[in-house]
Amino acid sequence: EVRLVESGGGLVQPGGSLRLSCTASGFTFSSYAMNWVRQAPGKGLEWVSSIGGSGGSKYYAGSAQGRFSISRDNSKNTLYLQMKSLTDDDTAIYYCAKSDYSNHQFDSWGQGTLVTVSS
Amino acid sequence: QSALTQPASVSGSPGQSITISCTGTSSDVGNYNIVSWYQQHPGKAPKLMIYEGDRRPAGVSTRFSGSRSGNTASLTISGLQPEDEAHYYCSSYATGIIWAFGGGTKVTVV
Repeated sequence: EVRLVESGGGLVQPGGSLRLSCTASGFTFSSYAMNWVRQAPGKGLEWVSSIGGSGGSKYYAGSAQGRFSISRDNSKNTLYLQMKSLTDDDTAIYYCAKSDYSNHQFDSWGQGTLVTVSS
Repeated sequence: QSALTQPASVSGSPGQSITISCTGTSSDVGNYNIVSWYQQHPGKAPKLMIYEGDRRPAGVSTRFSGSRSGNTASLTISGLQPEDEAHYYCSSYATGIIWAFGGGTKVTVV
């Protein structure tokens, strides 16, 4: 069974930094692209970033470009999202999502970790 | 503002069929058969319901079906049941953006 467990969320001041982690199990982690998707309180889903299985290909939404950095450690089955220069607009639940074999959809999701940016 | 347009809400009675639309452009829905639909109950993570336009993952009820015509994708729920009450989001690969989501549709079973 695929399991994705996010951690690292919390309260951070505007301008601050935070690193999210997603620990995966139940599948061959290095064989699949992984993604971060966020959801602001009461709002819809927003794709944030994706990374290929080997970690060589990385993609970012405009809102994340230049401030967020996605990475993975395949030896630890863990996905990361390093976030800096955080603003109120970054307040959201951050979900880790696994791509399917074709990289056409997100077939498994974690329960999410809440990031609150506030002074 | 979401890249894909969905109605904010759709409602139906138990047993009825409802359809949720997802309108994009020739840069996303109209150009790629890579549309997926996700169901999200309150306080829960999204769940993949339809992928590549009209395919169902194992374990998803056959009451859920997807289609695509031009720049618009649709999700149909047949035989509506109380447990179908949730938010539904469409998603598509999008040129220059990578992944676009719709704003979400709240389905109410009345």
